[in-house]
Amino acid sequence: RKEVEQDPGPFNVPEGATVAFNCTYSNSASQSFFWYRQDCRKEPKLLMSVYSSGNEDGRFTAQLNRASQYISLLIRDSKLSDSATYLCVVPRNTGKLIFGQGTTLQVKP
Amino acid sequence: DGGITQSPKYLFRKEGQNVTLSCEQNLNHDAMYWYRQDPGQGLRLIYYSQIVNDFQKGDIAEGYSVSREKKESFPLTVTSAQKNPTAFYLCASSMNHGLGGANVLTFGAGSRLTVL
Repeated sequence: RKEVEQDPGPFNVPEGATVAFNCTYSNSASQSFFWYRQDCRKEPKLLMSVYSSGNEDGRFTAQLNRASQYISLLIRDSKLSDSATYLCVVPRNTGKLIFGQGTTLQVKP
Repeated sequence: DGGITQSPKYLFRKEGQNVTLSCEQNLNHDAMYWYRQDPGQGLRLIYYSQIVNDFQKGDIAEGYSVSREKKESFPLTVTSAQKNPTAFYLCASSMNHGLGGANVLTFGAGSRLTVL
């Protein structure tokens, strides 16, 4: 099993839809995880951090399920501009960051 | 504006040639990193540095070398020993290298290397 696994997609959804991605992980006792957004042929940029208590920022909600070892990202009222690849990032116990391969989202008009 | 600058943005190289990718940051970050991204794969760590004049191998260091002579600069050399160097190379920095929220990475725009 990979340390960090994501469904690569693509997830094709209409504008206004709600979409959720999961990311499963192993070997991490970290208190915080991360979701990054990467546009095509660009660098990743931090979308949000994920803590035990979860995190919400506007239309985006991130949750951590430590017992089942996954983090989730929920996007409500999808916009065309949300089309991108979403990378989940898991800190190893050594402090290094492990990136998932990413989940691609395509929002259609 | 503070940020990370990578150059060149695109680079073509013949087999057997070494090439050096530049990474400069003015964020006053302590830690710097080099990642490699291949199509359909996550980022893989090549080298990282927590402090000037010190650096550690990441998961795929073979065929690469780095230096950290200044806090602001962390150049990566892709040597002829790297068997499959064509990839998108990303430099990043962070405040420190520990666990927790301070480990948020800021990335440069990347350098796309193609070996002909």
